[in-house]
Amino acid sequence: NSKVIQTPRYLVKGQGQKAKMRCIPEKGHPVVFWYQQNKNNEFKFLINFQNQEVLQQIDMTEKRFSAECPSNSPCSLEIQSSEAGDSALYLCASSPVWGVSAETLYFGSGTRLTVL
Amino acid sequence: KTQVEQSPQSLVVRQGENCVLQCNYSVTPDNHLRWFKQDTGKGLVSLTVLVHENDKTSNGRYSATLDKDAKHSTLHITATLLDDTATYICVVGEGGSALGRLHFGAGTQLIVIP
Repeated sequence: NSKVIQTPRYLVKGQGQKAKMRCIPEKGHPVVFWYQQNKNNEFKFLINFQNQEVLQQIDMTEKRFSAECPSNSPCSLEIQSSEAGDSALYLCASSPVWGVSAETLYFGSGTRLTVL
Repeated sequence: KTQVEQSPQSLVVRQGENCVLQCNYSVTPDNHLRWFKQDTGKGLVSLTVLVHENDKTSNGRYSATLDKDAKHSTLHITATLLDDTATYICVVGEGGSALGRLHFGAGTQLIVIP
């Protein structure tokens, strides 16, 4: 069972609107990833954090998204101005370590964003 | 060009049959490989992770192998159940010891029929 909680489950926005989604990582997991899964099952890495610090992000995220993982609050990913091509399933994953560990990478159920 | 290729793209089996899913990749350096199960519209559930050359893992009815020289992995599902109907995604972790970037395959859609 997923131990990463993502809200909302579904999000519908018009083009140009802001779209914000949240992720509560598994308790004690300092590492958080965001991925975008499109309708062709292609996954795109967006950004990752260790504690509150951004470790890596792609250009698109830097230019069009606002993301944070504050202490004692959910992580969030917000598209500043939604485009039709942003329609996708946004997946959050957390890990307790910055390294490989067998069963400790958990994905949330995702937020399905539809941009009209 | 995708660095993780999965085959077959889709597969239909009868309940109780065994099946084998394949994953070939070109990610370099390859740190580890994971298999995930994704039910329609839902998140990914980790089935197993393989790290070392010639690793073999077993998790109930799921077993997996990794050949790092060939950059190839297989996922075996024995005695399939209707609930096994899902997309199975192969994910390769890039880089040294860090979790780093994950490269996802497009998945194999498995359908189990009565």
